[in-house]
Amino acid sequence: GIQVEQSPPDLILQEGANSTLRCNFSDSVNNLQWFHQNPWGQLINLFYIPSGTKQNGRLSATTVATERYSLLYISSSQTTDSGVYFCAVYSGAGSYQLTFGKGTKLSVIP
Amino acid sequence: DAGVTQSPTHLIKTRGQHVTLRCSPISGHKSVSWYQQVLGQGPQFIFQYYEKEERGRGNFPDRFSARQFPNYSSELNVNALLLGDSALYLCASSPGRTGGWNTEAFFGQGTRLTVV
Repeated sequence: GIQVEQSPPDLILQEGANSTLRCNFSDSVNNLQWFHQNPWGQLINLFYIPSGTKQNGRLSATTVATERYSLLYISSSQTTDSGVYFCAVYSGAGSYQLTFGKGTKLSVIP
Repeated sequence: DAGVTQSPTHLIKTRGQHVTLRCSPISGHKSVSWYQQVLGQGPQFIFQYYEKEERGRGNFPDRFSARQFPNYSSELNVNALLLGDSALYLCASSPGRTGGWNTEAFFGQGTRLTVV
């Protein structure tokens, strides 16, 4: 099956700093989602981005499907950005399951 | 509009017992999927249901089963609980076939199961 690798596994930032999270996948994908998991376990949708670039406030994402990677940018980080960020992909015709990476744990300190 | 709702939020069970977890999808969504997330890992796919039929199953033993009801809500059942079944169980809702299989998934807050 498809492999999804996220880097870095852990990231500590000072409040106000910028960061880039990376997601590599081993095969072509039909769709890709970025999630933020808060400390209570809720997975919050950030982006649904099979290709191209999207922006939502301080966050933006870029997926280059032909090169099998996606990037999540966080600018001017805030303590509320802390948590685990997951990349997940659908692959293959008729694929019905999301395959998740292991996540990037982000800690933003005041 | 209500999002994906799961119940209960927390549960403690003893080894060997049975558990039933419940999920109500977003209104209008016909597909429900279940995922298991153990500490420190990403969620792992268990089942997908669409129009009451199982569309896909992950690499989980037969102790795990699920079903979907006419109103598109779903139950996940786990028999003969093991300590290793302790995890966060997440339900995801998506439009399903009408919008394509690979449409955006939305997750509930999860049920945290502890087996002692």
